[in-house]
Amino acid sequence: DTAVSQTPKYLVTQMGNDKSIKCEQNLGHDTMYWYKQDSKKFLKIMFSYNNKELIINETVPNRFSPKSPDKAHLNLHINSLELGDSAVYFCASSPLDRDSPLHFGNGTRLTVT
Amino acid sequence: EDQVTQSPEALRLQEGESSSLNCSYTVSGLRGLFWYRQDPGKGPEFLFTLYSAGEEKEKERLKATLTKKESFLHITAPKPEDSATYLCAVQARREYGNKLVFGAGTILRVKS
Repeated sequence: DTAVSQTPKYLVTQMGNDKSIKCEQNLGHDTMYWYKQDSKKFLKIMFSYNNKELIINETVPNRFSPKSPDKAHLNLHINSLELGDSAVYFCASSPLDRDSPLHFGNGTRLTVT
Repeated sequence: EDQVTQSPEALRLQEGESSSLNCSYTVSGLRGLFWYRQDPGKGPEFLFTLYSAGEEKEKERLKATLTKKESFLHITAPKPEDSATYLCAVQARREYGNKLVFGAGTILRVKS
């Protein structure tokens, strides 16, 4: 049973296109996240949702828009893709308790050409 | 600004050769320090949470310790299956929600 699943695993697209990455968790967690891992391997938080409500919104271009249809799903839509958007995007979930560890998906490698 | 620096960037060990990974942090009011393991092509997998200086936690060949400025991940008699990238992250007390600031990681290779 995959706890946090992301699709697709690989995404290759051209500059200017719009794309979406989907994430689903079956752990019953209240909170979901999007993290970006750049070429230097730093993982940086982008967004966090709790029960469909946005609670963390870091400095991210407004071309990135998260959408949470229910607490088990958090999708990431990216408009007008740029070369610098190439990275690995990780979805994660956790209970709302701030001490709770994050459970990560296996990532989506986005390549913009 | 909260910062996490991990060293070394990469570490090669022979099987059975014990060593330590370092995580230095700067945070205004530490709530928790986390260690994760990341295998190639996978997401990070949780290992430990440490909350206060002097705290230690163990899991198999791994032991994590915490001081007011840094954390160490000690690996005793490592095996090839311990090869992975080890990530350290901090959570500040002031932050709402479960926001973690990660270091760049240490790539560990254990050769048999």
